[in-house]
Amino acid sequence: RKEVEQDPGPFNVPEGATVAFNCTYSNSASQSFFWYRQDCRKEPKLLMSVYSSGNEDGRFTAQLNRASQYISLLIRDSKLSDSATYLCVVNEGYQKVTFGTGTKLQVIP
Amino acid sequence: DAEITQSPRHKITETGRQVTLACHQTWNHNNMFWYRQDLGHGLRLIHYSYGVQDTNKGEVSDGYSVSRSNTEDLPLTLESAASSQTSVYFCASSAGASSYNEQFFGPGTRLTVL
Repeated sequence: RKEVEQDPGPFNVPEGATVAFNCTYSNSASQSFFWYRQDCRKEPKLLMSVYSSGNEDGRFTAQLNRASQYISLLIRDSKLSDSATYLCVVNEGYQKVTFGTGTKLQVIP
Repeated sequence: DAEITQSPRHKITETGRQVTLACHQTWNHNNMFWYRQDLGHGLRLIHYSYGVQDTNKGEVSDGYSVSRSNTEDLPLTLESAASSQTSVYFCASSAGASSYNEQFFGPGTRLTVL
C-alpha cells in the first residue's frame, strides 16, 4: 500500500460546481497534513494546512479524519482558475514529508 | 522579497557526465530539500539538510550528492548522469522544526540525460 494515495483523476467539472477530493495515508502516527496546488510545469505551492478541527479558506474546505486515515479537500463554486493538480502532503514528523501523486482538476466553461 | 531560485532552469547533458544543479534561498531557512518529480511517482525526496554541514539521504539518493556549506545554498550533484535521472528537480526550503512548517519550492530544473 502506498504511504499516501490519491485518485489521479482527471476530474472534469463545470464552472460553479462543487468538487471533492480524498487522500488516504497509511501511517497512523502522521502529524500534519497539507494540500498543495501545482499548476502545469510549475512548482507546488501551499494551498492550505489541514487541522483536526477542519480548515476553511474562502471556497476551499479541508477536513481530516484520523480514524479512517484520510483527508479531504472541497472546492465550492469552481472557477476556471482552479484548474490544476492538487497534491496531498503528509508529514510524519520533523519534515519527513510524503507527497501524493496528485489529483488533476479541470474546470470547464 | 525572500525567494528560492534554481539554476539552470533547463539542462541537457550526456550519460556519464557530472552535473550540478544549484539551489539558493533567501528565506534564511534551516531546512532545505531536493525532490524529483516523475509521472506516476509524484515528488520523491532525494536529499535534505537541516542546517550547515548537515546532509541526509532521502528515498531516492543513489547517484546523487549534496553539500551544505552555508545557509543559503544546497547544490545537487549527479556524479555520473544516467538516462533514468531525466526528470524535473525541485528544491525546497522550510523554517525550523515544526511539522506544520510550509515548504517553499523553487521553480524547478528540467534535466534531460541523453
